[in-house]
Amino acid sequence: AQSVTQLGSHVSVSEGALVLLRCNYSSSVPPYLFWYVQYPNQGLQLLLKYTTGATLVKGINGFEAEFKKSETSFHLTKPSAHMSDAAEYFCAVSDRSATNKLIFGTGTLLAVQP
Amino acid sequence: NAGVTQTPKFRVLKTGQSMTLLCAQDMNHEYMYWYRQDPGMGLRLIHYSVGEGTTAKGEVPDGYNVSRLKKQNFLLGLESAAPSQTSVYFCAASKLAGAAGGETQYFGPGTRLLVL
Repeated sequence: AQSVTQLGSHVSVSEGALVLLRCNYSSSVPPYLFWYVQYPNQGLQLLLKYTTGATLVKGINGFEAEFKKSETSFHLTKPSAHMSDAAEYFCAVSDRSATNKLIFGTGTLLAVQP
Repeated sequence: NAGVTQTPKFRVLKTGQSMTLLCAQDMNHEYMYWYRQDPGMGLRLIHYSVGEGTTAKGEVPDGYNVSRLKKQNFLLGLESAAPSQTSVYFCAASKLAGAAGGETQYFGPGTRLLVL
């Protein structure tokens, strides 16, 4: 069965600093991996996803993530944080079935300090 | 193009009352999902549908029922609300997926439900 672990429920960075949000997965088959962002009082929006092909995936708003099979990781990064990046971030893994279900991590709340 | 919309945005219920949450999508997507979001627990799947007239249980289905009579609508019902069902409910929709999934799910703005 697939599962996702997000290390750090709260992360705080200074504006302009590197953002690193950690995600590790467990999957019995090659995983499909997703990062979603949730701004306050809104629904979830896709940042990026990995299915096949290039292991470094670029998403919206300057975010990127790298699929590392050897480390079972899919960490999300952004070189320079902006105040508008303050939000909750969810990593998810597909159940790899035709039902297209996702298994979500517990989320990481990112705070950006001025 | 509104995407996925949810009605109502916020509701307060008393224990034992019933209500229906409506999800509507204008993307002509085949699949629809209902999740609940609780602090520190991420999103958990309640029920889902892979097509009009079909529904299936997710991870936390107890106390909820669903119906998908029309392709564009997915209804979530609470027959007898309990305080444990206080949560934020999200609906999502995705395209028809291949055998291994991988299609993006598009989310609505959520419904906040408080059960007293």
